[in-house]
Amino acid sequence: EVQLVESGGGLAQPGGSLRLSCTASGFTFTTHAMTWVRQAPGKGLQWVSAISNTGSSTYYADSVKGRFTISRDYSKNTVYLQMNSLRAEDTAVYYCARVLTTANTPDYWGQGTLVTVSS
Amino acid sequence: DIVMTQSPDSLAVSLGERATINCKSSQSVLYSSNNKNYLAWYQQKPGQPPKLLFYWASTRESGVPDRFSASGSGTDFTLTISSLQAEDVAVYYCQQYYNTPPTFGQGTKLEIK
Repeated sequence: EVQLVESGGGLAQPGGSLRLSCTASGFTFTTHAMTWVRQAPGKGLQWVSAISNTGSSTYYADSVKGRFTISRDYSKNTVYLQMNSLRAEDTAVYYCARVLTTANTPDYWGQGTLVTVSS
Repeated sequence: DIVMTQSPDSLAVSLGERATINCKSSQSVLYSSNNKNYLAWYQQKPGQPPKLLFYWASTRESGVPDRFSASGSGTDFTLTISSLQAEDVAVYYCQQYYNTPPTFGQGTKLEIK
């Protein structure tokens, strides 16, 4: 069974940092690209970042480029999202998702982790 | 960025009746070299993550009931539930993955009338 478990969310001050983790199980981690999608309270879905299956390519939304960094650790089957220079508008539930190998869109999603940026 | 616009924003349908949700992209998401539409549909129930329903505009994900269908090409797409069940109450999103950044529609909230 595919499982994605996010952790690392919480309260951060504006300008602060957090690192989100997403631990994957139930599938071959090296086969799939991975992505982060966020959802502000009561709002819709917004794509944040993605990393290829090899880790050689990374992609970012303009709103987080230069502030967030995505990476993956194959020994731990884990994807990370390092978030620096946090802003109030980064407040959201952050979902980790696996990307289909046959179509560049997420199939399995984690339950999400809430990030709140506030002083 | 490609803008995805869904209609309506909300929809109330009686149990057993048909529900139709539309999605329009600001530019075509049909890739001519493979004749595939880079469009997916997701269902999100309250307090849950999104669930993939369809990709390539009309390819049903495993386990999705066949009362759900999806169609369309180019810039205009439709998600249809042929006979609404109580468990279908959710917000539905379309998403293009034709180019980066992938973008979602604003969502359509489906309720029981």
